[in-house]
Amino acid sequence: DVVMTQSPLSLPVTLGQPASISCRSSQSLVYSDGNTYLNWFQQRPGQSPRRLIYKVSNRDSGVPDRFSGSGSGTDFTLKISRVEAEDVGVYYCMQAAHWPRTFGQGTKVEIK
Amino acid sequence: EVQLVESGGGLVQPGGSLRLSCAASGFTFRTYTMTWVRQAPGKGLEWISSIVGSSGAIYYADSVQGRFTISRDNAKDSVYLQMNSLRDEDTAVYYCARGGGMDGWGQGALVTVST
Repeated sequence: DVVMTQSPLSLPVTLGQPASISCRSSQSLVYSDGNTYLNWFQQRPGQSPRRLIYKVSNRDSGVPDRFSGSGSGTDFTLKISRVEAEDVGVYYCMQAAHWPRTFGQGTKVEIK
Repeated sequence: EVQLVESGGGLVQPGGSLRLSCAASGFTFRTYTMTWVRQAPGKGLEWISSIVGSSGAIYYADSVQGRFTISRDNAKDSVYLQMNSLRDEDTAVYYCARGGGMDGWGQGALVTVST
């Protein structure tokens, strides 16, 4: 199985400041079609998860442009350019290139 | 708008069975892979099963293989998860999600396995 490793696991941030979460996979996430299947999810307290980013860097509909994804191969990053209060929650990376699907451990973003 | 509504959760004793349902609307159900993901209390997300829309191919996590069965009824726009031989560690909120990439999620159904 592909192991997804996130860091840090806890991220205290100041409102208006940037934040960055790293995700590394134990295998390449490049699929046979040439696409890289790495997604990012946000789970706010008490809510269901919501997909933010798909195929490394594509924002889902309605996702603010302060969220961006980057990376390639096995090394990926989610960035929040200026953290807002509504961004508090847990962020997960997930690989969709291989079965079984696997998630990272989650990174808890909180306001300092 | 994609809508997914899970039902069928509840309290069950170890060794018991439960069937979860997920009713979908707002998209052409039969063309999509459908996925179940669970989250134990205070823990992260765990993918447990997917069923492909076009081929009907099915995938399971090792943790549920042989005990859980995923199925779908395209006429009813619904996907199901039959859970047998339930264990304490199956206690979780079970989410239904659209696609192998999970671009839409339901509100979740709580399953508690306990005496």
